[in-house]
Amino acid sequence: GNSVTQMEGPVTLSEEAFLTINCTYTATGYPSLFWYVQYPGEGLQLLLKATKADDKGSNKGFEATYRKETTSFHLEKGSVQVSDSAVYFCALREGNKLVFGAGTILRVKS
Amino acid sequence: DTAVSQTPKYLVTQMGNDKSIKCEQNLGHDTMYWYKQDSKKFLKIMFSYNNKELIINETVPNRFSPKSPDKAHLNLHINSLELGDSAVYFCASSQDARNEKLFFGSGTQLSVL
Repeated sequence: GNSVTQMEGPVTLSEEAFLTINCTYTATGYPSLFWYVQYPGEGLQLLLKATKADDKGSNKGFEATYRKETTSFHLEKGSVQVSDSAVYFCALREGNKLVFGAGTILRVKS
Repeated sequence: DTAVSQTPKYLVTQMGNDKSIKCEQNLGHDTMYWYKQDSKKFLKIMFSYNNKELIINETVPNRFSPKSPDKAHLNLHINSLELGDSAVYFCASSQDARNEKLFFGSGTQLSVL
């Protein structure tokens, strides 16, 4: 089946640092790709998505570009804030379900 | 109003017991899900219902039985709890089975002692 691999965390950054969280996928065809975020004590929520190759999803200063050549969908943000501390999940669509990666913990220190 | 609410938030129980987790959504969505998140944050789908009909049933022990009395509710009953069942269980909903925007509850942390 299809799968998603994310970089292991935790990722610890200082405020205003540049963020990259790597995500690669294995899939037949070109599935839609997503980033979900889980803030402490809450459920996951959709952060951004891209539905086809070369699409760029963006939201709240985060961006990710669907790269079919490298089968990647890395999450980036130019300047992180303490409030971005959360767990970030990369996911792809497989039929009627989303397949999630293992999640990457991000900790931002002031 | 909470869009997807699940109860209880915490559940501590002994091995061998039977327990239930309830989930309700007030978004008018057709599709609901149960996901299991292990201690390493890995999130895996267990079940999905669309308009009260089971549409996804992953490889889950049959000790786990979902029940959807109506499309706004999806409960999870677990029989004969085992240590390995300890995890956070998330309920989620989406407008329909093809919609990728899932709305998640805040989770139920189950600890089996």
